[in-house]
Amino acid sequence: RKEVEQDPGPFNVPEGATVAFNCTYSNSASQSFFWYRQDCRKEPKLLMSVYSSGNEDGRFTAQLNRASQYISLLIRDSKLSDSATYLCVVLILTGGGNKLTFGTGTQLKVEL
Amino acid sequence: DTGVSQDPRHKITKRGQNVTFRCDPISEHNRLYWYRQTLGQGPEFLTYFQNEAQLEKSRLLSDRFSAERPKGSFSTLEIQRTEQGDSAMYLCASTGGRELFFGEGSRLTVL
Repeated sequence: RKEVEQDPGPFNVPEGATVAFNCTYSNSASQSFFWYRQDCRKEPKLLMSVYSSGNEDGRFTAQLNRASQYISLLIRDSKLSDSATYLCVVLILTGGGNKLTFGTGTQLKVEL
Repeated sequence: DTGVSQDPRHKITKRGQNVTFRCDPISEHNRLYWYRQTLGQGPEFLTYFQNEAQLEKSRLLSDRFSAERPKGSFSTLEIQRTEQGDSAMYLCASTGGRELFFGEGSRLTVL
């Protein structure tokens, strides 16, 4: 089983739609959680951290369920510019330090 | 530009040759990561440095791969006796806190 699993998509949605991405992780010792965004042929960039209480940044809402080892990202009122791959990232504290593990990413295409 | 820089951006080599990639992290960042990414996949962890110490190395990394960060600043990733399966984007990232900052990557093509 992969350490971090995501539905690869693609998710094709019309502009203005609400779309949700899910991510599961296998290591219960995971400490911190993030969503990164990666545009085609570009490097990943941090979209938002995910906190236990859930957090919101404009049209984006992230949720964490530690009991189910599940993370979600909700995008409301989607824009054409939201088209990208969304990567779920998990930080595990190992004996040697910090290991950041990425999921395979979920591709979003927002269409007119 | 004070971001993470990687060199070269593109490398085409023949099978069996050695290649070396360089990463210059953001200057005050003490942690540096190397990842490999292939089409349709997320970045795959290769190795991690805190200052000059290599603290973690993926079990997927064969003996042909070696990384260094001799003075705790720039890092190099060397691949010896390259194979076609090594073709990928090699990403370097650095952090001084929670957020990882990535370079634009070094794309390797092994013919």
